Amino acid sequence: DTEVTQTPKHLVMGMTNKKSLKCEQHMGHRAMYWYKQKAKKPPELMFVYSYEKLSINESVPSRFSPECPNSSLLNLHLHALQPEDSALYLCASSQALAGRNEQFFGPGTRLTVL
Amino acid sequence: KQEVTQIPAALSVPEGENLVLNCSFTDSAIYNLQWFRQDPGKGLTSLLLIQSSQREQTSGRLNASLDKSSGRSTLYIAASQPGDSATYLCAVSGNDYKLSFGAGTTVTVRA
Repeated sequence: DTEVTQTPKHLVMGMTNKKSLKCEQHMGHRAMYWYKQKAKKPPELMFVYSYEKLSINESVPSRFSPECPNSSLLNLHLHALQPEDSALYLCASSQALAGRNEQFFGPGTRLTVL
Repeated sequence: KQEVTQIPAALSVPEGENLVLNCSFTDSAIYNLQWFRQDPGKGLTSLLLIQSSQREQTSGRLNASLDKSSGRSTLYIAASQPGDSATYLCAVSGNDYKLSFGAGTTVTVRA
């Protein structure tokens, strides 16, 4: 099973709402990633977790809060977002953090902030 | 900082023609290079992974080559079909554990 799942598929939220994105993989991967992708642009790395610990934070605003409750699950908590945060949020996983490993991506969550 | 460039930005071909997509990168100290396919509004599907020690990888109608010393990779898609219409992204992985993406080539295969 080489699948990464993400829920929800679509999310519309106001600037005062709190919501969460969820990502799950059952491939036994120990590295998980959050990316943000704006229209017609490549994905931009946000966070990297390795063995359930945050390894990389690409200077992401604190209104985005990642969480890795266990090795299969990755959440992204959203609070007080801005309209410019509207984008496709992609989750990915790889066997380990080392650069030789293939990354597998989920289908994404399309986020709209009103 | 690794810079990845994909040329052309867009490509339109008739069905049956072979596709040639180019990717170049500035820092040859890479671990691997991945080619992805992305349909509009969807996630990324990994097509091929080439490790830095390899020269090419093949999967069905897809063939990707890697010339690490010159910082280039080429994705060939044989006998294109309308279902191949998508955006193709290349990404390189370095020792900073990050994928550096190109901006993509948007392919349209006309029936």
